[in-house]
Amino acid sequence: EVQLVQSGAEVKEPGESLRISCKGSGYSFTSYWISWVRQMPGKGLEWMGRIDPSDSYTNYSPSFQGHVTISADKSISTAYLQWSSLRASDTAMYYCARGRYSSSSALGYWGQGTLVTVSS
Amino acid sequence: EIVLTQSPGTLSLSPGERATLSCRASQSVSSDYLAWCQQKPGQAPRLLIYRASSRATGIPDRFSGSGSGTDFTLTISRLEPEDFAVYYCQQYGSSPYTFGQGTKLEIK
Repeated sequence: EVQLVQSGAEVKEPGESLRISCKGSGYSFTSYWISWVRQMPGKGLEWMGRIDPSDSYTNYSPSFQGHVTISADKSISTAYLQWSSLRASDTAMYYCARGRYSSSSALGYWGQGTLVTVSS
Repeated sequence: EIVLTQSPGTLSLSPGERATLSCRASQSVSSDYLAWCQQKPGQAPRLLIYRASSRATGIPDRFSGSGSGTDFTLTISRLEPEDFAVYYCQQYGSSPYTFGQGTKLEIK
């Protein structure tokens, strides 16, 4: 069974750094890109970027480029989303996801989400 | 970047009725790589339709997708109580992938 299991909820202060994780299981981790998707409170879905775990090639949405970093450690089948300096506006639910049938297919497997709260 | 515009923003219908949701793209979606997903409160999104008209595994046949190029439609033939949720279209044919703003399907 394909599973994406994300790390737990985080509460941080503005300016702090953070890394959240997404562990894949039940499939060949290096065969599927992992995407990250943001959902701000009461709002819609926003695609942030993706990573090819086989070579760590990344592709970002212009809206998020430079503010977040996506990485992966294929030895432990885990992808990461990290911030070096959080803002209050980063408060959101973050989902990782992968293609349902192939790396380039529609996002069909999703993690359970990680809630990030940034507040002073 | 392809902008996806969904309409209506909110759709109020009763169980048993037919629902028609629209998604319009600002430019042609490559290879009709347009998906529809459903999201219920407190849950992750669930893929319903991919490549404009193919149902994902396990999705009931009352859900159907149609369209190509820039205009796409999700139809739910007869609404069940569990279908009331928010629906998003997403294009994955070109980077950056983008989502529509969502259509909330609510019980009338």
